[in-house]
Amino acid sequence: DAKTTQPNSMESNEEEPVHLPCNHSTISGTDYIHWYRQLPSQGPEYVIHGLTSNVNNRMASLAIAEDRKSSTLILHRATLRDAAVYYCTFGDNYGQNFVFGPGTRLSVLP
Amino acid sequence: DGGITQSPKYLFRKEGQNVTLSCEQNLNHDAMYWYRQDPGQGLRLIYYSQIVNDFQKGDIAEGYSVSREKKESFPLTVTSAQKNPTAFYLCASSSGPSNQPQHFGDGTRLSIL
Repeated sequence: DAKTTQPNSMESNEEEPVHLPCNHSTISGTDYIHWYRQLPSQGPEYVIHGLTSNVNNRMASLAIAEDRKSSTLILHRATLRDAAVYYCTFGDNYGQNFVFGPGTRLSVLP
Repeated sequence: DGGITQSPKYLFRKEGQNVTLSCEQNLNHDAMYWYRQDPGQGLRLIYYSQIVNDFQKGDIAEGYSVSREKKESFPLTVTSAQKNPTAFYLCASSSGPSNQPQHFGDGTRLSIL
């Protein structure tokens, strides 16, 4: 059964880097890995996505394992506004059915 | 400003009633999705539609129905057959399948009176 596995919670100090891991061992060769984050009572916000190569954008970096069975979201300098639940997901069923796990709750300490 | 609009933000249902949640997007996206989120849980897919007049069941479709008569609209009906409808409902859209990010609305919180 397709699913993702993430730590339930992580903690970071402000202005330090954060590495959020995700396992997705059932991903197919053509499915992109996506990361989203969610604040309470809001819809998830897109963070980053990639297929095979590492990806960078203004919000974060995404490191994808060579076998694509895991990935890591990297926040280079955590801020208080980065405190949220982070979800990794991928498209199942030929990319038409996204699988979301319970996510990782990130706390950022001042 | 482009985006997804869900309405209402809060909705109350009496036992035995059907209620419809609205989702409209002006992003010209082909694909639209409905998710359910329970407290402290992740998102579970209810229905998705890749194109107008076509939609597919997700993991928890029982007790729900949808329509996709227009590209920009994907309403979700929570029927009386859904015995535990209290949840946070999220609508999303994307320009295509796996290789495109999803854009989410701000959600509708449904409660039973």
